Amino acid sequence: KAGVTQTPRYLIKTRGQQVTLSCSPISGHRSVSWYQQTPGQGLQFLFEYFSETQRNKGNFPGRFSGRQFSNSRSEMNVSTLELGDSALYLCASSLTGADTGELFFGEGSRLTVL
Amino acid sequence: GESVGLHLPTLSVQEGDNSIINCAYSNSASDYFIWYKQESGKGPQFIIDIRSNMDKRQGQRVTVLLNKTVKHLSLQIAATQPGDSAVYFCAENGRRDDKIIFGKGTRLHILP
Repeated sequence: KAGVTQTPRYLIKTRGQQVTLSCSPISGHRSVSWYQQTPGQGLQFLFEYFSETQRNKGNFPGRFSGRQFSNSRSEMNVSTLELGDSALYLCASSLTGADTGELFFGEGSRLTVL
Repeated sequence: GESVGLHLPTLSVQEGDNSIINCAYSNSASDYFIWYKQESGKGPQFIIDIRSNMDKRQGQRVTVLLNKTVKHLSLQIAATQPGDSAVYFCAENGRRDDKIIFGKGTRLHILP
């Protein structure tokens, strides 16, 4: 079956702009979680959605938001971009939830903020 | 591929030898632990998991050991191959707040 698909794979934005990233989970998976990966901080949890509801949230400012649609596809949005938002954004889907089962990751969306 | 961590600890192992990657976890309430492998340019990939009611679990060429007394997790890879070159992350589920917490990662470098 198809894996987790993230779009776009690469994007460049300037400070102050906003960006929307998309994630299509594995068919049948209702949990989608998002992570930010940077060289300095490693993999950090952003939020998790399960059946269209935000189930958990990491310690990121309100500029970072997300949503999940009825088909389990998820989007995350970052508004008023800052240089420090440059990172690889990873989406993962899970059958049972991000904290109880195997996560299947996409290849990520690499965001560069200039 | 992208640089996952400029200051990651690195383990260099001769091809064919066994590799042991260690991880100290933080939350004594965590009851589920996972190892992930991340190759250059790709997302992390599940390797093996273990629940807190076990102290050892084996997969194909990999073994995870859990020592709850000292909050330590290790991943053993038998007969290391060039394809094992990657960054390895341990993760715990941090039961207190239901979040998955990733360690900083260890880069495994295979020597020919």
